[in-house]
This record gives sequence, structure tokens and C-alpha cells, in this order.
Amino acid sequence: KNQVEQSPQSLIILEGKNCTLQCNYTVSPFSNLRWYKQDTGRGPVSLTIMTFSENTKSNGRYTATLDADTKQSSLHITASQLSDSASYICVVTYSNDYKLSFGAGTTVTVRA
Amino acid sequence: ETGVTQSPTHLIKTRGQQVTLRCSSQSGHNTVSWYQQALGQGPQFIFQYYREEENGRGNFPPRFSGLQFPNYSSELNVNALELDDSALYLCASSSAAGGRWNEQFFGPGTRLTVL
Repeated sequence: KNQVEQSPQSLIILEGKNCTLQCNYTVSPFSNLRWYKQDTGRGPVSLTIMTFSENTKSNGRYTATLDADTKQSSLHITASQLSDSASYICVVTYSNDYKLSFGAGTTVTVRA
Repeated sequence: ETGVTQSPTHLIKTRGQQVTLRCSSQSGHNTVSWYQQALGQGPQFIFQYYREEENGRGNFPPRFSGLQFPNYSSELNVNALELDDSALYLCASSSAAGGRWNEQFFGPGTRLTVL
């Protein structure tokens, strides 16, 4: 069973609207959590990285939150643009080794 | 652009054949990790190389093997290809082993299709 679960699997939003993606994890011990954006057929590109002591991190119109107690994270996209259409992947790192645990991603489609 | 390059971009092979994928890491990075990403799934860790030594391996059979060269570029070799090996293969480089605190920068990937 995957230790990082993302929801929804996919969503469609209109340009200019906001959306929120969810990530729940069971990875332990936890080191950090990252959100990546992956365009179709391309490699993932990092958006944010947070350690267990951080609650929120922003990168332009992307804002990530983390609740290490409930093991939940969210990625909020503000004023979506057509270029935001991509897969967004949540990645959690174990604190005692090199392993990254990837979620399956949420596919976001922004329509004009 | 992350500075990580992969070749080839696309590749078509038949079952039973062997394939070699290549990755050039970002300047200053000494660690390379390889991932397999099936359609609609997140990347799955294959293995990591740090200073030319394997530094960890995921749940992949021995027919998946790798190399890292003195310039820190890397190869992924897959023998006896199976249909399920069809996927996007991603290479990621970082500046230290483990990648716990150091971000991994991904290349554009190689799309392998096995017929």
C-alpha cells in the first residue's frame, strides 16, 4: 500500500479560479514533504519543500500547508492559469535514509 | 530547465531485448537516482548512485542494473525487457547522498515502449 495518498485523482477548473489538492501520508519517521509539478511527458519540477516544523510555504501562486500531527498536506493554487495544467505530485522523505515516497499525483486541467 | 539531461528521449524495443538509458547530472552534483514512472502513477525508486557506488535500491529485479562514471553521469541498463517495463524513466541528481535535505533535480525522462 502506498504510504502517500493524494486526492482528488484529477480535477478540472476554470481559468482564474482557485483549487486545493490534498496529500495524506503515513511515512515515518518523517523528514520533509515536497510538492512537484510535472508537465505531461516531462520530469517533475519542485514547487515547495517543508520540514516537520513548517506549517506553510509559498511559491508565487502556489501555497503548501503541512500538519505533521495529522500527517496531511495541501497545495493551494490561486488564480489558476492555463499553464498550471499539469500533474502535481506529493513526495515525502524518510528521515533515516535516502528514500522518497511518491504519491500518484493529482492531474489538474485548467480551461479557458 | 534543471541542467539534468537524459537520452534518448523516446525508445521502442521488443520483449527480451536489452536497453541502456543515459543521464548527465547537474554540474556540482555527485548523486544520481533512477525512477520508473508508469502511466498515471507516481515515480517508483529503482536505485541511487553516489560517487560511483550503488547507494540503495528499490524493489526492482536484478535485470535492472546501473553504473555511475567518474564525471557522475549514469546509465540504467535493463535486460530481458518485459511489456510491463514500458514507462517513463526519470533520472534525478542531487549534491549529496540520501537526498534527505538536498533537493533532487529531475531530467526530462526517457519514454520506453516495449512491444
